[in-house]
Amino acid sequence: QQQVKQSPQSLIVQKGGISIINCAYENTAFDYFPWYQQFPGKGPALLIAIRPDVSEKKEGRFTISFNKSAKQFSLHIMDSQPGDSATYFCAASKDSGYALNFGKGTSLLVTP
Amino acid sequence: DAGITQSPRHKVTETGTPVTLRCHQTENHRYMYWYRQDPGHGLRLIHYSYGVKDTDKGEVSDGYSVSRSKTEDFLLTLESATSSQTSVYFCAISESGRNTGELFFGEGSRLTVL
Repeated sequence: QQQVKQSPQSLIVQKGGISIINCAYENTAFDYFPWYQQFPGKGPALLIAIRPDVSEKKEGRFTISFNKSAKQFSLHIMDSQPGDSATYFCAASKDSGYALNFGKGTSLLVTP
Repeated sequence: DAGITQSPRHKVTETGTPVTLRCHQTENHRYMYWYRQDPGHGLRLIHYSYGVKDTDKGEVSDGYSVSRSKTEDFLLTLESATSSQTSVYFCAISESGRNTGELFFGEGSRLTVL
């Protein structure tokens, strides 16, 4: 079964707006939560990642918010730009394993 | 960009034929992975390798086999392709392997099984 649930499936945001993508997980053994960005025709690439010992991590316009008690984490893209239009995948893994468990992805379109 | 080359990039084949996809890396990373990407399913792990001749199954391994005879090459074989294996296949590599390190993905191989 899907170990990481991601929503929404698609998202349209105007340029300059905030894009928010949410993920939830059940396995409390997960201790690493990356986000990957994928442009059409390309493979996914790591965007930003967080561990559960912090509640927020920011890199430029991208922020991960993490709520350990709710088992949820989210990606916020501030001042969204048309160049941010891509598919975003959240993922989770535990240190004892080898597999990244991916969400189903969110297709983001930022309109001019 | 990480030195990952997937071949072929596109392939059309018929049901029942064998297919082999190749992943070649120049990074000397120990860990290599094969994922498939399907609409509505995201990325799902097929098989992975943690060293030469060391491989293990992922969540969707049925119908697939892998081999790794050299550090730089990881082969994915569909012994008898089925239409349900129509997908985009991604190879990925990582240095640390324990899921706390970055995965670097290739550009994908689009397989169509008629």
